Amino acid sequence: QKEVEQNSGPLSVPEGAIASLNCTYSDRGSQSFFWYRQYSGKSPELIMSIYSNGDKEDGRFTAQLNKASQYVSLLIRDSQPSDSATYLCAVTPKGSYIPTFGRGTSLIVHP
Amino acid sequence: DVKVTQSSRYLVKRTGEKVFLECVQDMDHENMFWYRQDPGLGLRLIYFSYDVKMKEKGDIPEGYSVSREKKERFSLILESASTNQTSMYLCASSFAGESPLHFGNGTRLTVT
Repeated sequence: QKEVEQNSGPLSVPEGAIASLNCTYSDRGSQSFFWYRQYSGKSPELIMSIYSNGDKEDGRFTAQLNKASQYVSLLIRDSQPSDSATYLCAVTPKGSYIPTFGRGTSLIVHP
Repeated sequence: DVKVTQSSRYLVKRTGEKVFLECVQDMDHENMFWYRQDPGLGLRLIYFSYDVKMKEKGDIPEGYSVSREKKERFSLILESASTNQTSMYLCASSFAGESPLHFGNGTRLTVT
């Protein structure tokens, strides 16, 4: 069973701080990694994709991938209360187009 | 922008009714998916389709069926709705290969 693990949280950070969200996965051959943001009562929204080791930056968001250690993380700089949501990590195993989702980490950014 | 449209935002049905949930995408995606999402259980895959008229069971297909007669449309059918099928249903689509999923707005179904 291919697994994607996330700490359910909640992770609470003050406004303006860096929020760090982590995800580990079991399938060493995984090739594609995604972060989704889901506001309460809404559907998941893709915010980052990463396919190779290292960092990928997009605005205030940075995705970090370390395939050797089998983890992927999402950093949110200058966190805002509007970033308060559940963040889902998704990993696509090699040879598949069906991602495995983690159960998500709840982030709370307090003013 | 990719648009995945689910026909209903909220739906209330009675036990035993046959329920149709419709999903349409406008990006010519090959893959389409139906998930349900429940508190504490995360996203669970019900069925998926990688081409017209093709369908594969996901992790929890019992009590559901699907139809994909056209590339852009993927329907989820609850043959005889039960109260344990009360949930948020999410449709998603993607290009072939390891591309990200794009989700519709979801249908919150209540079976009474």
